[in-house]
Amino acid sequence: DTGVSQDPRHKITKRGQNVTFRCDPISEHNRLYWYRQTLGQGPEFLTYFQNEAQLEKSRLLSDRFSAERPKGSFSTLEIQRTEQGDSAMYLCASSLASGNPHEQYFGPGTRLTVT
Amino acid sequence: DAKTTQPPSMDCAEGRAANLPCNHSTISGNEYVYWYRQIHSQGPQYIIHGLKNNETNEMASLIITEDRKSSTLILPHATLRDTAVYYCIVRVDEYSGGGADGLTFGKGTHLIIQP
Repeated sequence: DTGVSQDPRHKITKRGQNVTFRCDPISEHNRLYWYRQTLGQGPEFLTYFQNEAQLEKSRLLSDRFSAERPKGSFSTLEIQRTEQGDSAMYLCASSLASGNPHEQYFGPGTRLTVT
Repeated sequence: DAKTTQPPSMDCAEGRAANLPCNHSTISGNEYVYWYRQIHSQGPQYIIHGLKNNETNEMASLIITEDRKSSTLILPHATLRDTAVYYCIVRVDEYSGGGADGLTFGKGTHLIIQP
């Protein structure tokens, strides 16, 4: 499978715990995006990388959210001190910098439940 | 980016053409119209995009009105697997100053294909 993969697919955590999600983009894609989607809403853009550089992070929801892409390949999204309001689907997408950045390929998402 | 308006839901009979409308009356000259869809429990999937000419690919056709204030996504022979939420997004081209950051999704149209 050469699509975008995300791990884990589901995560249940207790309020106050830290969680980390991983995204592996399509191998030749150098742009990587994170989105959050709550029930009944469309995805909400959080941050994006071109290679290892994080070019937009002002949309991250709070300072509890951080993302990395240390070698320009996979990326991680961390949420510290989780709250019940963080329960959502977290989606990753990738695109080719030399192509159309708005033609993005999404992974299946990680569903987070905070109890 | 220009705002879009879509009906919240639509039904279509299997085998018939599904026509999904989108209004974008404030669209500017360098903004493209993109369509994505999201099948239940999956990440969004890129369908098609266009500027002012009609476009067709293996998934769908996109018809943009001459004044570009509205568009219609056409699925020519809808199947049950086309049941999904369809998102219409308007976005400035990266090379016209639109940047390469994330997409802005609304609530979309929930298309239900009836057997």
